[in-house]
Amino acid sequence: DVKVTQSSRYLVKRTGEKVFLECVQDMDHENMFWYRQDPGLGLRLIYFSYDVKMKEKGDIPEGYSVSREKKERFSLILESTSTNQTSMYLCASTSRLQGAYEQYFGPGTRLTVT
Amino acid sequence: QKEVEQDPGPLSVPEGAIVSLNCTYSNSAFQYFMWYRQYSRKGPELLMYTYSSGNKEDGRFTAQVDKSSKYISLFIRDSQPSDSATYLCAILSGYALNFGKGTSLLVTP
Repeated sequence: DVKVTQSSRYLVKRTGEKVFLECVQDMDHENMFWYRQDPGLGLRLIYFSYDVKMKEKGDIPEGYSVSREKKERFSLILESTSTNQTSMYLCASTSRLQGAYEQYFGPGTRLTVT
Repeated sequence: QKEVEQDPGPLSVPEGAIVSLNCTYSNSAFQYFMWYRQYSRKGPELLMYTYSSGNKEDGRFTAQVDKSSKYISLFIRDSQPSDSATYLCAILSGYALNFGKGTSLLVTP
């Protein structure tokens, strides 16, 4: 079974703090993704990576950066958090060979910025 | 205009009902159409996918794509309380998926 794990289920941070969200997958997938999910807005893509050290901006990259130093690990960095970054953050991965349509998601990190 | 539009609901049906969930999309070039299911406090998981047009059936679930009208549907027969979840349609665009906003479904015993 594919497993995608995220470093925290719940986080509470103050405005201006730096946050690292880590995602690890155990299936040797090439592609990894970071989304945020908000009521009424659905899932929106922040960044994705199709290989180590490669990254592409998604629909809403402003205020975020990412790092992919190893194939199994994809980190989302919030340099200086703001209250509008309160959200559920979901990581996903997929194999280029199997079909990019099947993304495997982690359980999510609910981030609250006060 | 968002590439995929989905009515967020919520939708409440009695157990045993037939459920119809729908999305529309904007780009006729899309070929892969997916339905993901998300239970509360979990990440989404792939339920079904369809390539190009037509129907695909898996047990009580049927996915349908009408490319002429750019319409995606998911039908659930004999709905069960365990089907209560948020259902998200998605289309594949390059490497990434574009998701609809999700429809929240509640099946009451």
